[in-house]
Amino acid sequence: SAVISQKPSRDICQRGTSLTIQCQVDSQVTMMFWYRQQPGQSLTLIATANQGSEATYESGFVIDKFPISRPNLTFSTLTVSNMSPEDSSIYLCSVEDRLGGYEQYFGPGTRLTVT
Amino acid sequence: LAKTTQPISMDSYEGQEVNITCSHNNIATNDYITWYQQFPSQGPRFIIQGYKTKVTNEVASLFIPADRKSSTLSLPRVSLSDTAVYYCLVGDPNDYKLSFGAGTTVTVRA
Repeated sequence: SAVISQKPSRDICQRGTSLTIQCQVDSQVTMMFWYRQQPGQSLTLIATANQGSEATYESGFVIDKFPISRPNLTFSTLTVSNMSPEDSSIYLCSVEDRLGGYEQYFGPGTRLTVT
Repeated sequence: LAKTTQPISMDSYEGQEVNITCSHNNIATNDYITWYQQFPSQGPRFIIQGYKTKVTNEVASLFIPADRKSSTLSLPRVSLSDTAVYYCLVGDPNDYKLSFGAGTTVTVRA
């Protein structure tokens, strides 16, 4: 199984600013995913990030608001831009299991509060 | 992606068996049924996955009837540490896009 770390674990930010969240995996993976979990809610997929290609965004999420980088097979960043209080959520990255299937490994999440 | 319906919450006591049923009436031929567990302040964790009949691992069992329109996650002899949200997901594993529903909050009491 993959071990995933995220930085920062939490942050409090002012509206209008941006925050970049880092996701590090202890093994090389092709596909990485970014999710958002709003307070008391379930998880929503933001985008899929493959190394060497542009991220693919889900409906309701755009690159200008959530730019993603994937410079190598073990690392990705998600930036939350021009933040508003509605962006207060937990942001999680995940990676697929190399054997396929629906098994993914999730990071611990980054708890973001926008004031 | 097939829509799933599961109870919002369930209460249990230590040592009991907990069964969570998930309905997925429009499951497709290529879809698998997968369950995740999420503790507070943690990311979800894969529990079990199945296509039909019964699957068992060291954590849980998954029962899937022949029509595959529902499934039941069984947690044997739960403890306080099994208190978590349990998500039922249905989809094609080749898709990789996990679609999480509302989940079932299981509370285990002493």
